[in-house]
Amino acid sequence: GAVVSQHPSWVICKSGTSVKIECRSLDFQATTMFWYRQFPKQSLMLMATSNEGSKATYEQGVEKDKFLINHASLTLSTLTVTSAHPEDSSFYICSASNYEDGSSYNSPLHFGNGTRLTVT
Amino acid sequence: GENVEQHPSTLSVQEGDSAVIKCTYSDSASNYFPWYKQELGKRPQLIIDIRSNVGEKKDQRIAVTLNKTAKHFSLHITETQPEDSAVYFCAASRGSGGYNKLIFGAGTRLAVHP
Repeated sequence: GAVVSQHPSWVICKSGTSVKIECRSLDFQATTMFWYRQFPKQSLMLMATSNEGSKATYEQGVEKDKFLINHASLTLSTLTVTSAHPEDSSFYICSASNYEDGSSYNSPLHFGNGTRLTVT
Repeated sequence: GENVEQHPSTLSVQEGDSAVIKCTYSDSASNYFPWYKQELGKRPQLIIDIRSNVGEKKDQRIAVTLNKTAKHFSLHITETQPEDSAVYFCAASRGSGGYNKLIFGAGTRLAVHP
């Protein structure tokens, strides 16, 4: 259980266009999902916390108007990179927890396969 | 906010030897410490985790220790095999009700040589 699916797995777009990435929890409901970004040979940097039915919470330094997050259902969160530029090229990974795994403690975080974005 | 430091950044061992990766965290309220293994181009995979009410946890060749007083935790891999070669990340989080805002260390690139 606790499968997180992410789509697309890779995308190439031209500078100035927008790209939407989907993150789905396949066999559990996720009121909270997390979006990370990973540059080559670097760590996973938390971008934002996606909350079902409410606004996302962005980490310091992440532009909320550039990285639009929508979490309209308990199984789907989307990240839209607007007006993408070459410096946005990165590996974007979503993650979610099945709270039923952990009761009162933090439950394991499961990651999607990631989306490799290349902006030309 | 939380800050997680991880050492070493690279680690090279011979097959069969042990490997140890160490992490420190800054937020004393952190209560959950997972370790992830990431192979090139793939998603991070949870390999072991430890919660703040436990000092040590073992799963076959992998073990994790936690020192809450010193705010550091370590990953131990015994009898290493070439397939253990990957990047390993430690992480820490605090929260309630399963709110898992994980902050990751910088990663350790482990190479196991046959």
